[in-house]
Amino acid sequence: EVQLVESGGGLVQPGGSLRLSCEASGFTFTSYAMCWVRQAPGKGLEWVSTISGSGGATYYADSVKGRFTISRDKSKNTLYLQMNSLRDEDTAVYYCAKHRVAATSGTIDFWGQGTLVTVSS
Amino acid sequence: AIQMTQSPSSLSASVGDRVTITCRASQGIGNDLGWYQQKPGKAPELLIYGASTLQTGVPSRFSGSGSGADFTLTISSLQPEDFATYYCLQDYNYPRTFGQGTKVEIK
Repeated sequence: EVQLVESGGGLVQPGGSLRLSCEASGFTFTSYAMCWVRQAPGKGLEWVSTISGSGGATYYADSVKGRFTISRDKSKNTLYLQMNSLRDEDTAVYYCAKHRVAATSGTIDFWGQGTLVTVSS
Repeated sequence: AIQMTQSPSSLSASVGDRVTITCRASQGIGNDLGWYQQKPGKAPELLIYGASTLQTGVPSRFSGSGSGADFTLTISSLQPEDFATYYCLQDYNYPRTFGQGTKVEIK
C-alpha cells in the first residue's frame, strides 16, 4: 500500500525558513518522480515543485523559484522541501505527491494527507 | 504558463443527475490532462488521467473525454459520495497548472 507521510509544518515568521519532509513507503521510491502541491486556506490547488526519480531534474513554480529547494534521499525514502524567505502568501497545506512515472512527465497519482505551514508574525 | 479554465465554478445537483464539468486549456495539450476529486479536509484523489483513462478503483460512472484544448469530466449518475470539489491538471509541460476547481453541491 502506497503511503506518503508529511511532517515539518508549523508556524514561522515572515522571512523565516522551514523544511518539510515526506516519508514514502509501499513503492520503489527511486522509480517515481515526486512533487509538492500546496493549497492556501479556502483556495484551489497550486503545483509547487517536481523532482525526477533519479533526482537529476527539478522544476519550480515561479512563485517559489529561488526560495524553495526540492530534494530526495533514496536511502531514507524521503522527499524534502526546503523553504527559505517565507512570505505570508506561502501559508498553505503542503501536499507531498507521487507521479505515475520516474521521469518528470506524467500525472500525479497519489497524495499524502498534507502538512500545514503558517507564515505569520 | 498554460492557463486552465474550469467551468462552472460550482453547481447544484441531485442524486442520480448527470453532471458535466469542463476544462479549457489556453493552448493545445494533447491528452495530457488529469481530473481529481477533493473532499473537505482531505487530499485530492486521481480519477482520470490521459484525459480519458479511469484510474484503478474509480467507479465507472466517472468518465473523461477531450483532447487538444477542451476536456470534459462526466459523472453519469451522481451519488452521495460524489459531492466534492473537482480539479483538472495539465501535465503537458512545466509549470504544471490546475483549473480553479468546481464545487459540486447537493441540490
